[in-house]
Parts: sequence; structure tokens; C-alpha cells
Amino acid sequence: DAKTTQPPSMDCAEGRAANLPCNHSTISGNEYVYWYRQIHSQGPQYIIHGLKNNETNEMASLIITEDRKSSTLILPHATLRDTAVYYCIVRVQYGNKLVFGAGTILRVKS
Amino acid sequence: EPEVTQTPSHQVTQMGQEVILRCVPISNHLYFYWYRQILGQKVEFLVSFYNNEISEKSEIFDDQFSVERPDGSNFTLKIRSTKLEDSAMYFCASRTDRGNEKLFFGSGTQLSVL
Repeated sequence: DAKTTQPPSMDCAEGRAANLPCNHSTISGNEYVYWYRQIHSQGPQYIIHGLKNNETNEMASLIITEDRKSSTLILPHATLRDTAVYYCIVRVQYGNKLVFGAGTILRVKS
Repeated sequence: EPEVTQTPSHQVTQMGQEVILRCVPISNHLYFYWYRQILGQKVEFLVSFYNNEISEKSEIFDDQFSVERPDGSNFTLKIRSTKLEDSAMYFCASRTDRGNEKLFFGSGTQLSVL
């Protein structure tokens, strides 16, 4: 599975959009981009995933660049409860495990 | 939303003792996983299990570890002779067998080896 690069930490004001970047320049055609988060040592929680089209669900939006070398997770109106470690993971189609990196610590501040 | 359930939430044991961590995956899921997270470190893959056998395991998952699905609902991780360095949060996860399905994680068991 391709490697991902994320900033170690980010701050966001409560109520504002949080935009979390991820670089995956070695991604191959059959690899999906997944985002999970982990709130204070709880189990990781699935947020969203995509292949090449932008995706949106009730939690977030995922914007994948046309060349698929990077993506951005958008939390449209961040709340204090969104403070967590956010993981960007690339996984091959029909792949088995998820491999977690260090992620981005997002701190939402009032 | 359905949940993966793990018990106990905390387990304290003496070095050298055997421990069994228990998980109840989501009922229609067919792939099962154990991960661990040492305090302050990354979430690490240990093992995956499908069709009653291990489908993949990491270097961490040595002979001291074993997994079992003893009945139709439980999925267990056994550590035969615990070491101090086994102290960690252990997460169970499960998913369906459809290609790109997300993993659902439990809330974890905090294992402390004294």
C-alpha cells in the first residue's frame, strides 16, 4: 500500500471548516484513500473513503486531486468534539488490513 | 449503528500470566482483526482472521499470540505468557467481505502487565 504524508498537527477554530491535507504521491490506480479518526485513545472511527471522485457524507467531505497524488478531508463546521487524531490511509482495492501512520492531531479551539 | 464489543475494558495481569481478550464482532461480518496501540505510539496491526483461519499477521504476532473464534459470535486474542512490553490498548475490528468495506473498531481493552 502507498505511503501517506500528513502534517503532525493543526488547529482550527470552532465553527470553522477544518481542512486536513494528505499527500499520497505514490498511489496506484487500484488504491483507495481512507480517512479514520481516533478520539482520545478510543477505537479508530471510519470517516470516509474514495477512489478518484470527491465524496461527501454526514461527517465530512473528501476532495481528491485529479492526479490522485493528494487529498483533503474537510470537516465543514468543526466542533470541540472533533478534536482527535486523523489518519489518512491508502489501501488497495480488496486489500485486507489498514496500516496506520502517525496521523494529524487536530485541535479544535473555542 | 452496530458496534464491536470488547471485554474487559481494563485488564491487569502479572508478567508471565496468560490473558484472553474478548471481542464480539458485528454479527454479519466475516473479517476480524486485532490491533494494538502502545501509549503514545501508532495503532499497529497484529492479525486478521477470515474463514476460521489467520489470513495475515504482523511480525509482532509471534508464537505467544493466538486467535480463535470459539463460537459464532466471539473472537478472542490470547497472550500465553505476558511481558511488560505487551502493555497496550488492544483493539478488535471487523468488516464484511465486500471489497472496500470499512473496518469497525471496538473501544479497546487496556492491558497492563505488571
